Amino acid sequence: NAGVTQTPKFQVLKTGQSMTLQCAQDMNHEYMSWYRQDPGMGLRLIHYSVGAGITDQGEVPNGYNVSRSTTEDFPLRLLSAAPSQTSVYFCASSQTPIRGWGSPLHFGNGTRLTVT
Amino acid sequence: KNEVEQSPQNLTAQEGEFITINCSYSVGISALHWLQQHPGGGIVSLFMLSSGKKKHGRLIATINIQEKHSSLHITASHPRDSAVYICAVRLGNFNKFYFGSGTKLNVKP
Repeated sequence: NAGVTQTPKFQVLKTGQSMTLQCAQDMNHEYMSWYRQDPGMGLRLIHYSVGAGITDQGEVPNGYNVSRSTTEDFPLRLLSAAPSQTSVYFCASSQTPIRGWGSPLHFGNGTRLTVT
Repeated sequence: KNEVEQSPQNLTAQEGEFITINCSYSVGISALHWLQQHPGGGIVSLFMLSSGKKKHGRLIATINIQEKHSSLHITASHPRDSAVYICAVRLGNFNKFYFGSGTKLNVKP
């Protein structure tokens, strides 16, 4: 059981380039989410989804796009990379929290992105 | 303003010591999560609480809903417990999580 798989693990981009961070889960979780982790700050929610075809913005959505065409995949797109997007990105999934008080979050191993 | 505050930010302990990490939050929540981030970066879920107390091995997590406070205790700490411990809350009926900035624990042999 692979859980949550994130690719790539490391990426270096130049300012203005675009790229897609991949996230896939094999647990049939409806809820998927993207976070960025910066030094001295907690994980911050970028975008989330409660099912295929449904996405919504989190705290820090600017500069990022998402789509959810299948239950398994939730890619995060950087449209035009900026140095401020240098961070570690995590994808997480769980059974949808709207049923009862939720279930544990399962995290991918993270993607370390540097924008020069 | 951070909805979730953790203390201390850094903690050094000797092997065998009893450790407490605190988490306070300022919003209504439906659940609180304790997470562990390993030195290699991976994050795993330790506990999910909506009331009371949970225990798993040497780890104990408690929550006081009225005081908006939770604690994570580690009994008989061991160097392998060295990690960053993160508190996260899920707001009410919303599908959003807010995270504390983490407590970096170093247990010395």
